Amino acid sequence: DVQMTQSLSYLAASPGESVSISCKASKSISNYLAWYQQKPGEAYKLLIYSGSTLQSGTPSRFSGSGSGTDFTLTIRSLEPEDFGLYYCQQYYEKPYTFGAGTKLELK
Amino acid sequence: EVQLVESGGGLVQPGRSLKLSCAASGFTFSNYYMAWVRQAPKKGLEWVATISTSGSRTYYPDSVKGRFTISRDNAKSSLYLQMNSLKSEDTATYYCARHASSGVMDAWGQGASVTVSS
Repeated sequence: DVQMTQSLSYLAASPGESVSISCKASKSISNYLAWYQQKPGEAYKLLIYSGSTLQSGTPSRFSGSGSGTDFTLTIRSLEPEDFGLYYCQQYYEKPYTFGAGTKLELK
Repeated sequence: EVQLVESGGGLVQPGRSLKLSCAASGFTFSNYYMAWVRQAPKKGLEWVATISTSGSRTYYPDSVKGRFTISRDNAKSSLYLQMNSLKSEDTATYYCARHASSGVMDAWGQGASVTVSS
């Protein structure tokens, strides 16, 4: 199985700052990488797919980059509603696997 | 508005069975592959099953293969997960999700909690 590693479990930042969340695959997955956001009491939300393509409705302050094994989700100028949990997922092959998540907290 | 609403969760003893349902609305259900994904307490997400539009093809990870069965009723816009021989490690919140393309999941339900304990 492809192991997905999000090196940071927690990340503290303030509104207005920019942050980057990394995700590493145990083998090359081309750009078959998605990012999801979860906020308390809300359903999971797809933010980005194909490594860098914004899902409809995702604010432009979000961006994704990377291919192969290393990927990054960047959020520019954090808004209060951006704080929550972020997961990466590979869909290069089954079983689909997720990273352990990075919790973006308010500093 | 796309809505996915899970039901059927609860407390079940090890070795017993439970069936989850997911009611879909706001989109043409029969046009989409569907999936179940779970999240154990304090753990990450784990893909559990995927089913094709017609239901003729199903996919599972080894952790549930042979014990779980995903199915659908397109006439009722409903997705199901039959879970047999449940183990304590199956304790999790189970999410119904819609596949956008490939393995990407672009809509999720709020989840149904399943606790396997004696």
